[in-house]
Amino acid sequence: EPEVTQTPSHQVTQMGQEVILRCVPISNHLYFYWYRQILGQKVEFLVSFYNNEISEKSEIFDDQFSVERPDGSNFTLKIRSTKLEDSAMYFCASGGLSGSGNTIYFGEGSWLTVV
Amino acid sequence: AQSVTQLGSHVSVSEGALVLLRCNYSSSVPPYLFWYVQYPNQGLQLLLKYTSAATLVKGINGFEAEFKKSETSFHLTKPSAHMSDAAEYFCAVSYGEYNQGGKLIFGQGTELSVKP
Repeated sequence: EPEVTQTPSHQVTQMGQEVILRCVPISNHLYFYWYRQILGQKVEFLVSFYNNEISEKSEIFDDQFSVERPDGSNFTLKIRSTKLEDSAMYFCASGGLSGSGNTIYFGEGSWLTVV
Repeated sequence: AQSVTQLGSHVSVSEGALVLLRCNYSSSVPPYLFWYVQYPNQGLQLLLKYTSAATLVKGINGFEAEFKKSETSFHLTKPSAHMSDAAEYFCAVSYGEYNQGGKLIFGQGTELSVKP
């Protein structure tokens, strides 16, 4: 069964460093998302991406964050200068295969720890 | 603002007992509704979804949920709990087609514990 894959599964970085989280969405999907889950809290929407541009973003997704689909298969989230409060599980998701309804499929997540 | 409320951050049941996890949404527009499960150290797995067809939706692992518009609810149930059901359960709502950027809004989650 097709799945969304994410790398790395866990990354520890120092405050102020740049981090890139990578995702390979399900092929033929059209919409891509990043969500995050701070430990013990709810899953929060960060950004959605369609047709090579951001279609919607939350208040959390400020100038520190950026997304890119560099090569038609990968979908990346870049955090330019990490802060302690960026420590969270980041989930990539994809959806939009014609006929599949509104289901959004999630990857297993990337744990980011900022120290 | 669109929101999802899950009543009870922790629910504990005995093995074999009924599981009932509550979810209410706020909307004047019929939404799409989902339940996801998250096992420890894993990602989010779709249990079931409501997309304006039958109001009683059956999902994987014996779970089902009923959409009640009058109560703006989408409670998740399972007749008989199994130890393997212990996990975090998230209710989520979407107000648009995925091809309109239909993001998911999640509830705060309910941790289900199953006692032997």
